[in-house]
Amino acid sequence: AQSVTQLGSHVSVSEGALVLLRCNYSSSVPPYLFWYVQYPNQGLQLLLKYTTGATLVKGINGFEAEFKKSETSFHLTKPSAHMSDAAEYFCAVSTLNQAGTALIFGKGTTLSVSS
Amino acid sequence: DTGVSQDPRHKITKRGQNVTFRCDPISEHNRLYWYRQTLGQGPEFLTYFQNEAQLEKSRLLSDRFSAERPKGSFSTLEIQRTEQGDSAMYLCASSPGGGTAQETQYFGPGTRLLVL
Repeated sequence: AQSVTQLGSHVSVSEGALVLLRCNYSSSVPPYLFWYVQYPNQGLQLLLKYTTGATLVKGINGFEAEFKKSETSFHLTKPSAHMSDAAEYFCAVSTLNQAGTALIFGKGTTLSVSS
Repeated sequence: DTGVSQDPRHKITKRGQNVTFRCDPISEHNRLYWYRQTLGQGPEFLTYFQNEAQLEKSRLLSDRFSAERPKGSFSTLEIQRTEQGDSAMYLCASSPGGGTAQETQYFGPGTRLLVL
């Protein structure tokens, strides 16, 4: 069975600082990995995803993530935080199984950005 | 592409009442998913449709929950005899339906349910 663990339910950074949100996964088969962002009272928006090929994935709004199989990790980074990055971030894993391609989400990390 | 829409956005009901939520997926998306999100948790998969066929429903939380997608377009999620524990955000997502695990799911804004 697949699972996702997001380390740190809340991360606080200053504007302009590095953002690092941690995600570790468990999967018995090669996983597909996703990062979604959720702004207050809104649905989830895809930031980026890893399927196959290049392990460093670039997404929207300057975010990127690196798939490290040996560490079973898919951490999300952004070199310089902006106030508008404050939101909830979810890491998810997907494999083809009886639930189709249902996503399995972590519990989320709330990112706060201070000026 | 107008995105996934959900109606209503908010619903307040009394315990024991039935509620129904609607989801309109992105046009021509074959797959439609329902998730539930409780406070402080990530979304939890409930069920999904390939066109009008409900291919997985064992994850529905109880027999009080049911979903339909009668013509392969919009879908409804019904909760009968609501309980306070049903209070949550109900999210709908759609995807093109190519059958691969790498395809992106597009989420709607959700319906927030409060059961008093």
